[in-house]
Amino acid sequence: IAGITQAPTSQILAAGRRMTLRCTQDMRHNAMYWYRQDLGLGLRLIHYSNTAGTTGKGEVPDGYSVSRANTDDFPLTLASAVPSQTSVYFCASSDQPGVFDTQYFGPGTRLTVL
Amino acid sequence: DQQVKQNSPSLSVQEGRISILNCDYTNSMFDYFLWYKKYPAEGPTFLISISSIKDKNEDGRFTVFLNKSAKHLSLHIVPSQPGDSAVYFCAALPENRDDKIIFGKGTRLHILP
Repeated sequence: IAGITQAPTSQILAAGRRMTLRCTQDMRHNAMYWYRQDLGLGLRLIHYSNTAGTTGKGEVPDGYSVSRANTDDFPLTLASAVPSQTSVYFCASSDQPGVFDTQYFGPGTRLTVL
Repeated sequence: DQQVKQNSPSLSVQEGRISILNCDYTNSMFDYFLWYKKYPAEGPTFLISISSIKDKNEDGRFTVFLNKSAKHLSLHIVPSQPGDSAVYFCAALPENRDDKIIFGKGTRLHILP
């Protein structure tokens, strides 16, 4: 089934550890995004990539890094996790940058940092 | 400071009646607005959008109204169905499309039998 996959589904992580959340799409979409969803705060954009080889900062980029080596994959790395990064993380993609009507979301990764 | 506000955390509506979800924004540079629907343990899905050059957009049971002077938009669902029970997020985009989409906190809609 075409779409976006995220791994892991959930993770409990000790503070200070490094963690990479994986995201893969098979729709050949140009743009990809990472969001975090916190209770009472809705969705906030962390980083985005308009096309392979480029990345940009969203609303809450601090403490996170991304790479876009190819069209399909857009991993999100927490270099040294902190408890405030406990959240549900959603990866998304859209056919073209800035076209959010065609934005598809993955199922999410629930991350708990202790 | 919240730029997109959904002031009702939750809303309960009888099945068959109209559901009205509200959204306010503060940034006058926003010119495109979207609604997403989210079920538990799933990612959000796009529902409907509206450009600032319009004041209404309709898609089946879903209609979005935009009042630019009041910086207010609303999503109407009629008739409401059990499958409409979900969290609804309002989102806004600025004119320059720098990809910094801004979401509201969401409103949880409960459709009552």
